[in-house]
Amino acid sequence: QVQLQESGPGLVKPSETLSLTCAVSGYSISSGYYWGWIRQPPGKGLEWIGSIYHSGSTYYNPSLKSRVTISVDTSKNQFSLKLSSVTAADTAVYYCARTESYFDYWGQGTLVTVSS
Amino acid sequence: QSVLTQPPSVSGAPGQRVTISCTGSSSNIGAGYDVHWYQQLPGTAPKLLIYGNSNRPSGVPDRFSGSKSGTSASLAITGLQAEDEADYYCQSYDSSLSGREVFGTGTKVTVL
Repeated sequence: QVQLQESGPGLVKPSETLSLTCAVSGYSISSGYYWGWIRQPPGKGLEWIGSIYHSGSTYYNPSLKSRVTISVDTSKNQFSLKLSSVTAADTAVYYCARTESYFDYWGQGTLVTVSS
Repeated sequence: QSVLTQPPSVSGAPGQRVTISCTGSSSNIGAGYDVHWYQQLPGTAPKLLIYGNSNRPSGVPDRFSGSKSGTSASLAITGLQAEDEADYYCQSYDSSLSGREVFGTGTKVTVL
């Protein structure tokens, strides 16, 4: 059974960089698929942030591209998200998921609050 | 804002049939990209409900069905049950702006 688990700080200060990691178990990232990040502000809908292939190839949401970096560490079977220059608008539950056009396995999500 | 539009809410009595629309454009659904659907119960992560327009993952009841036509797609729930009360999202790919995955605006299903 494929399982994903997000981890990282729950509180980030404005203008700083949000960093999250998604640990994958039950499937080797090196075997294939894209791996993505999605976020959901409190009480709002889902927004795709970006995705990465096991080779390191990435594609990002154009609205966030200038601030986003997604990387993969196949030796640890995990992938990571960095979002720079955060503001209160970046407060959201952040999910990681496996994807091949649709997102079939999701992490439980982690709430990140941007506040001083 | 999302390029896939859904009604904010739909409701129905137990046993009834409800449908949720997902309206896109020529750069996403109308371009032939597949539509997928997710169910999000309160306080939980979204769960894949329908993939590739009309396919159900293992374990999803056949009360849930999906279809696509032109620039729109629909999710139907027949024999509505109390446990179906949740938020539902459609998702597709949009070829504008260098390409991106897009989610619908979301629909709250209420079982009366």
